[in-house]
Amino acid sequence: DTGVSQDPRHKITKRGQNVTFRCDPISEHNRLYWYRQTLGQGPEFLTYFQNEAQLEKSRLLSDRFSAERPKGSFSTLEIQRTEQGDSAMYLCASSLGLAGGAGEQFFGPGTRLTVL
Amino acid sequence: SQKIEQNSEALNIQEGKTATLTCNYTNYSPAYLQWYRQDPGRGPVFLLLIRENEKEKRKERLKVTFDTTLKQSLFHITASQPADSATYLCALSNDYKLSFGAGTTVTVRA
Repeated sequence: DTGVSQDPRHKITKRGQNVTFRCDPISEHNRLYWYRQTLGQGPEFLTYFQNEAQLEKSRLLSDRFSAERPKGSFSTLEIQRTEQGDSAMYLCASSLGLAGGAGEQFFGPGTRLTVL
Repeated sequence: SQKIEQNSEALNIQEGKTATLTCNYTNYSPAYLQWYRQDPGRGPVFLLLIRENEKEKRKERLKVTFDTTLKQSLFHITASQPADSATYLCALSNDYKLSFGAGTTVTVRA
């Protein structure tokens, strides 16, 4: 257990429905990331928060996706009008903001989304 | 566009032997390279980080090398154990964002 929790662990939904995932990072970590992972691939970066500010969004993140991190604590990722191509594992990670670049990231267990 | 390639074949080795995994990249000059372990149905777990000005790093039975000229990292697991069976991911970055390879699955036979 890395200390990062995600909820729910599994979500099955029908195409066209909206879904929301939650991530609780390690409390002293100011950086929070969302990644998406499909079978046989490595995680792909979606978005990044430093405290409550969303500083980068991947072009993978279409306008159906939105993420928030109110008060710089937990984060939510919402997918509107889900499509079958959204089926994947959604991973949240957190880290300390180290000067000069990337430090280790602590990943949660992921939320596996299945869109029928 | 940048490309990160790891051993395409899964690695199947005998307990006690050394597993060597490769990570090659193109169109990228990362300042950092990290290795993560991922077990089925779980998130990746950090193992090692090596900086562009470092050639080698060790942690217990793990060793990582980083050759920025060849654009390659090698990851070694010495005296392998069945508990080392997992998928190993390399990840490159210049700042906060990690770019991952597809991973190499290692199976250690008792």
